[in-house]
Amino acid sequence: DTGVSQDPRHKITKRGQNVTFRCDPISEHNRLYWYRQTLGQGPEFLTYFQNEAQLEKSRLLSDRFSAERPKGSFSTLEIQRTEQGDSAMYLCASSSTGVGGEKLFFGSGTQLSVL
Amino acid sequence: AQSVTQLGSHVSVSEGALVLLRCNYSSSVPPYLFWYVQYPNQGLQLLLKYTTGATLVKGINGFEAEFKKSETSFHLTKPSAHMSDAAEYFCAVSPSDSNYQLIWGAGTKLIIKP
Repeated sequence: DTGVSQDPRHKITKRGQNVTFRCDPISEHNRLYWYRQTLGQGPEFLTYFQNEAQLEKSRLLSDRFSAERPKGSFSTLEIQRTEQGDSAMYLCASSSTGVGGEKLFFGSGTQLSVL
Repeated sequence: AQSVTQLGSHVSVSEGALVLLRCNYSSSVPPYLFWYVQYPNQGLQLLLKYTTGATLVKGINGFEAEFKKSETSFHLTKPSAHMSDAAEYFCAVSPSDSNYQLIWGAGTKLIIKP
């Protein structure tokens, strides 16, 4: 169990550029979540996958955001035509189920700065 | 609709003193309640959660929380603070045990004074 890994840790980009983040969940975790967190706020749900199927997507999520989990293992989150308002910490989590219910394991996040 | 309010963006206590972090929620259905902790440069991790049953929930690192339906509260406590408890703490509520429905509070940063 190596934990949830996110890459890169930091990303600085210019407005209008596309960015892609990667998340490697804990192996054998079938659920994977993406959240966004801005300073002074709690995480905000973006989307989640069960295996390769994207089951839920926040209604607040712009069409510029897309996520994939092609083989049910790692996931990517792409933001097209970035805007300054996209600056945030992007968190990935994976989950296991068992006694006590589903438990989330979070990565350390990718900090995005849009200039 | 559900919401979570954490009173105090920063709470400062002396080492050895009682830790009390406040969380109030609103929910139209019986809530599932969670506390998460985020240590510096680490990912969020689950401290404890309430689903059903006993209203006093014990978590990791000596923390516990009590669900009080009449007060719509789920305050987090620890009898004696350690320096290692310095972190940001998040309360969250969900209408079910599904994590995609979690609504998070804004967080409280716990500062421990030597």
